Amino acid sequence: EDQVTQSPEALRLQEGESSSLNCSYTVSGLRGLFWYRQDPGKGPEFLFTLYSAGEEKEKERLKATLTKKESFLHITAPKPEDSATYLCAVQFPNAGGTSYGKLTFGQGTILTVHP
Amino acid sequence: DAGVTQSPTHLIKTRGQHVTLRCSPISGHKSVSWYQQVLGQGPQFIFQYYEKEERGRGNFPDRFSARQFPNYSSELNVNALLLGDSALYLCASSFGTGTYTEAFFGQGTRLTVV
Repeated sequence: EDQVTQSPEALRLQEGESSSLNCSYTVSGLRGLFWYRQDPGKGPEFLFTLYSAGEEKEKERLKATLTKKESFLHITAPKPEDSATYLCAVQFPNAGGTSYGKLTFGQGTILTVHP
Repeated sequence: DAGVTQSPTHLIKTRGQHVTLRCSPISGHKSVSWYQQVLGQGPQFIFQYYEKEERGRGNFPDRFSARQFPNYSSELNVNALLLGDSALYLCASSFGTGTYTEAFFGQGTRLTVV
């Protein structure tokens, strides 16, 4: 069965303390990997898409990388406003394989950055 | 530009009742997907619609149904509500259903079943 696992479940950092979040997956037919940020009670906010091993994307203090079996979200010198739940999702083909709308999410990593 | 809009934002229903949730996609987007997110978990895929046709369905009972209108807006219906249906219901909008299609989410509808 296709699975997406994120680690750690929760991460506490001091402001300025860089770290990485992990997203690993066991899939067949992977078409894309997505990172989202979610604040409490809100919908997920799109951050990045990655499609092939070796691909990297950056946005402010965040950098996402992709290998054949996992993705990392690197956070450099985080600030308290980076505190949120970070969700990883993998895109799969729908039944019949003719379209690709379904996202399978991990359980998320709750990041807390203390001042 | 307006993002994905969902209504209502909060809803309280009694067990056994029926509920309708609504979603308007980003202008120009033709695909709408619905997800259920219970507290502490990632969103779970319920349905995807594209050009008014169902293109994908997750592992949810037949009490859940949806449709998409000519203007690409969508409704999610849930019949015979159970306590376990309490969750944040999310709508995602995308241009199409291809492999390089990014999905953008609305703020969600918080459903509480009592």
